[in-house]
Amino acid sequence: GENVEQHPSTLSVQEGDSAVIKCTYSDSASNYFPWYKQELGKGPQLIIDIRSNVGEKKDQRIAVTLNKTAKHFSLHITETQPEDSAVYFCAASKGFNKFYFGSGTKLNVKP
Amino acid sequence: DTAVSQTPKYLVTQMGNDKSIKCEQNLGHDTMYWYKQDSKKFLKIMFSYNNKELIINETVPNRFSPKSPDKAHLNLHINSLELGDSAVYFCASSQVAGLGDTQYFGPGTRLTVL
Repeated sequence: GENVEQHPSTLSVQEGDSAVIKCTYSDSASNYFPWYKQELGKGPQLIIDIRSNVGEKKDQRIAVTLNKTAKHFSLHITETQPEDSAVYFCAASKGFNKFYFGSGTKLNVKP
Repeated sequence: DTAVSQTPKYLVTQMGNDKSIKCEQNLGHDTMYWYKQDSKKFLKIMFSYNNKELIINETVPNRFSPKSPDKAHLNLHINSLELGDSAVYFCASSQVAGLGDTQYFGPGTRLTVL
């Protein structure tokens, strides 16, 4: 089965700085890669996703890059704000909505 | 209006008991899921139903039995609860059981087995 590894497990940045979270996956057949944000006491919420036919996708301060050859994808958050503090999960899927999640990154944005 | 709702939010019970968690979605989605999130925040899929039919059944003890009375509801019944069942259980739904459809998660049910 698929194995998704996520790094770092915790990340502290100063407000206004950028944050980067990286994931690798093992199954070359995976072709959909969503990122979720989980705030304390809540369920994960999709923030951005990317499909294997695209190398990069942006949505305001958030961007995701995908390197299919190396089997890794990354989440980039620019101009971080305290409300970006949360746990972020990457995931990989090759169909039938079966997702394999990374272990999560706790992002702390210090004001 | 809550898109995916779960009850109860917290559940504290003794080992050996049987308990149920309920999930409802009002998004008109065809597919629903149960995930388990352990103490280290690791999320793992347990089950998935599409239009009341089981389509994903990961390696989960048969003490866990999902039931989908209709496509808007997916309940999780757990028999003979064990300490290791303590976790947060999330229900989710998506439009279709295809590739890359956005999953909407409920707020979670924190189960504590004493």
